[in-house]
Amino acid sequence: ELKVEQNPLFLSMQEGKNYTIYCNYSTTSDRLYWYRQDPGKSLESLFVLLSNGAVKQEGRLMASLDTKARLSTLHITAAVHDLSATYFCAVDWDFGNEKLTFGTGTRLTIIP
Amino acid sequence: DSGVTQTPKHLITATGQRVTLRCSPRSGDLSVYWYQQSLDQGLQFLIQYYNGEERAKGNILERFSAQQFPDLHSELNLSSLELGDSALYFCASSAGGGSNQPQHFGDGTRLSIL
Repeated sequence: ELKVEQNPLFLSMQEGKNYTIYCNYSTTSDRLYWYRQDPGKSLESLFVLLSNGAVKQEGRLMASLDTKARLSTLHITAAVHDLSATYFCAVDWDFGNEKLTFGTGTRLTIIP
Repeated sequence: DSGVTQTPKHLITATGQRVTLRCSPRSGDLSVYWYQQSLDQGLQFLIQYYNGEERAKGNILERFSAQQFPDLHSELNLSSLELGDSALYFCASSAGGGSNQPQHFGDGTRLSIL
């Protein structure tokens, strides 16, 4: 059974600081997605990573994928309050069926 | 707005009852996915349909069933409801067929069992 683990589960950080969220998964896959969820809201797609070494950036967020290490990272640069949310990684391990197994989520709180 | 429409937004019912959740995918998307989100289980994949046919199953209980209709909308039926079925149920859609496009999520249906 595929396991997807994120750490930390909770992250409280000051505005202007940098931090990284880690996503480890237990089986071979080269397709990984990052989503954001605001409290009580839906999930919003952030990044799609489709190969080893893939790197995507949008604003203050940058995601990368190392398929050999089975690791993806979401790096936050100079955090701002608007980035407060829960971030999920999701691994697509059943090629062609696009079944996603989600990580536990990282609840990020940016403190002014 | 993701373009995925779910109804109803909230549903309150009692144990033993049956409910139907409805999802309309984004225009042009052929795949529909159902997920359950709860505090103890996290976000769990339930089932996927692609162009009217069941494509993949996850941790879906036998009391739950789903279908996708010719117009591509989908329904998730939950029967013999138990307290533990209280959760947020999301529908997502994508182009499917190995397109590697992200799934787009609806706003969810919050189901409360009393």
